[in-house]
Amino acid sequence: QQQVKQSPQSLIVQKGGIPIINCAYENTAFDYFPWYQQFPGKGPALLIAIRPDVSEKKEGRFTISFNKSAKQFSLHIMDSQPGDSATYFCAAGGQRGSGGSNYKLTFGKGTLLTVNP
Amino acid sequence: DVKVTQSSRYLVKRTGEKVFLECVQDMDHENMFWYRQDPGLGLRLIYFSYDVKMKEKGDIPEGYSVSREKKERFSLILESASTNQTSMYLCASSYTGGISSYNSPLHFGNGTRLTVT
Repeated sequence: QQQVKQSPQSLIVQKGGIPIINCAYENTAFDYFPWYQQFPGKGPALLIAIRPDVSEKKEGRFTISFNKSAKQFSLHIMDSQPGDSATYFCAAGGQRGSGGSNYKLTFGKGTLLTVNP
Repeated sequence: DVKVTQSSRYLVKRTGEKVFLECVQDMDHENMFWYRQDPGLGLRLIYFSYDVKMKEKGDIPEGYSVSREKKERFSLILESASTNQTSMYLCASSYTGGISSYNSPLHFGNGTRLTVT
């Protein structure tokens, strides 16, 4: 079964802290690992994504670390701010069996992050 | 910016009613998706479509059907609503490259919260 396991379910940090959200996957065919950020009342939006040929990607205060051998990847938020409070979803995408270029994007169950001022 | 518009923010329906959830995107995206979001379960794919009149089942298609008569519009249909279909429904779109690829992120609407009583 193609699963993406995300932890923790919720996380509370103080402003300036470095929250870390972890994800693990099973299917080695996955070749695309995005993170989505969702604010209350809004749909998720792409935050940052990585391919398995690199071990780290940074965009501003957000960093993805990727460990291909362990089949794990994580999101780090440097100098976290109250405005980062949101639900974060990891996901994994890869070729969906036969039938052309369709990819199946499987989401983790989400992490509710609260950054206290 | 890509805009994915879901016609209703909140819906309350009775058990057994036929329910239509509508979604429109304005960026000429080939691919459209319906997800269901439930606390602790994350985002689960119901159906997706990669072209007009084309559809494929996602992970939880039971009790749902879809319609895509025009490229910009994707409808989710609950033939006979049941209380276990009370949920947040999210529509998304992406341009060609499959369900999601590195250069083709999902763009989500803000969701329709459906309550079935």
